[in-house]
Amino acid sequence: GESVGLHLPTLSVQEGDNSIINCAYSNSASDYFIWYKQESGKGPQFIIDIRSNMDKRQGQRVTVLLNKTVKHLSLQIAATQPGDSAVYFCAERGGKLIFGQGTELSVKP
Amino acid sequence: GAVVSQHPSWVICKSGTSVKIECRSLDFQATTMFWYRQFPKQSLMLMATSNEGSKATYEQGVEKDKFLINHASLTLSTLTVTSAHPEDSSFYICRVGGGGAEQYFGPGTRLTVT
Repeated sequence: GESVGLHLPTLSVQEGDNSIINCAYSNSASDYFIWYKQESGKGPQFIIDIRSNMDKRQGQRVTVLLNKTVKHLSLQIAATQPGDSAVYFCAERGGKLIFGQGTELSVKP
Repeated sequence: GAVVSQHPSWVICKSGTSVKIECRSLDFQATTMFWYRQFPKQSLMLMATSNEGSKATYEQGVEKDKFLINHASLTLSTLTVTSAHPEDSSFYICRVGGGGAEQYFGPGTRLTVT
């Protein structure tokens, strides 16, 4: 079924530090995973994706790690900036695109 | 990449009235579009899959007679919230389907029912 959180966990980091946002997924048959950033009042914005046959993928200032053994996904943001403040969702595709709970990232200047 | 728009971006309506939300794929022909609902501080919940030229597929617990979906062309899907009630107040977001198109969400429509 859908993953719906009753509240969002929050992560507060200092500007310039690295951020790590974690996500547990449920379907071992999911073949594709995506991280999205959602700013207040806007639709989700694609950040980075990774296929299930990979365990790491790097983008600009972001890295996604996939551990299929424990069904865990993480997003690392290097040198976090105030503009990174948003809610971050992971999503898995195993047929449908299912969203995780989300984490609210707050960057302190 | 695909550009997706939604109209209106926000709407306030009275309880009992119906509201139509449009989702347009501006540069991508989408045989499939998806509608999500998001309550404050919560994740996106898939409501239904909109299929061009055929009936939409609704997720469990979503009333198809209340949330009418029409996908009459490859670039337009509409979601009509019929007889809206305050509990229907939410953020409605569409997504364009297609290979590798998980990236393309609309900007969302904020519905407030008074």
